[in-house]
Amino acid sequence: GGIITQTPKFLIGQEGQKLTLKCQQNFNHDTMYWYRQDSGKGLRLIYYSITENDLQKGDLSEGYDASREKKSSFSLTVTSAQKNEMAVFLCASSIPGGRNAEQFFGPGTRLTVL
Amino acid sequence: GEKVEQHESTLSVREGDSAVINCTYTDTASSYFPWYKQEAGKSLHFVIDIRSNVDRKQSQRLTVLLDKKAKRFSLHITATQPEDSAIYFCAAASSGSWQLIFGSGTQLTVMP
Repeated sequence: GGIITQTPKFLIGQEGQKLTLKCQQNFNHDTMYWYRQDSGKGLRLIYYSITENDLQKGDLSEGYDASREKKSSFSLTVTSAQKNEMAVFLCASSIPGGRNAEQFFGPGTRLTVL
Repeated sequence: GEKVEQHESTLSVREGDSAVINCTYTDTASSYFPWYKQEAGKSLHFVIDIRSNVDRKQSQRLTVLLDKKAKRFSLHITATQPEDSAIYFCAAASSGSWQLIFGSGTQLTVMP
């Protein structure tokens, strides 16, 4: 088995601040994803990375940057935090050949912007 | 783009009864339909999926039905147990896409 670790668990920021969320996986999966989960809504894809050194935008990429530093890690940056924003950011990875395959999710980072 | 609608936002059943959660999708090219479960305070985990080359798939107490004509798929849970209580998310993707489109989730409560 493997595990996905997300840091920090809770993130409190100020309006306009640049904030970075980190994700590490030890599944040795090629593909990694960043989702945003808002209360009462489904997950929306922000960025994904099919393999190391690849970066693809999802439907919600505006206002975010991402970086795939190595196969095991994928970072997400909120470029300018919006006042009163509250959401959970979930990192996931999927098995090799991962298109249309099971995704494994991390525990999430809960963001609050004051 | 693709939209996935999950029709029941909440569902309550008695322990031992069956539960059915329904989803519809808009993109006729969608061919992969997974379901994920999120227990209280935890992250999502995969429970079952179905691909468009079949219309039914069963795994223990879980069955997924796919009606391509109606662009509808559903999760059936039989003999429900308290540990089935969770938010269930349906999702859809086309065969050429890496992007899953999720429904808004159904909070299932199994009452003793």
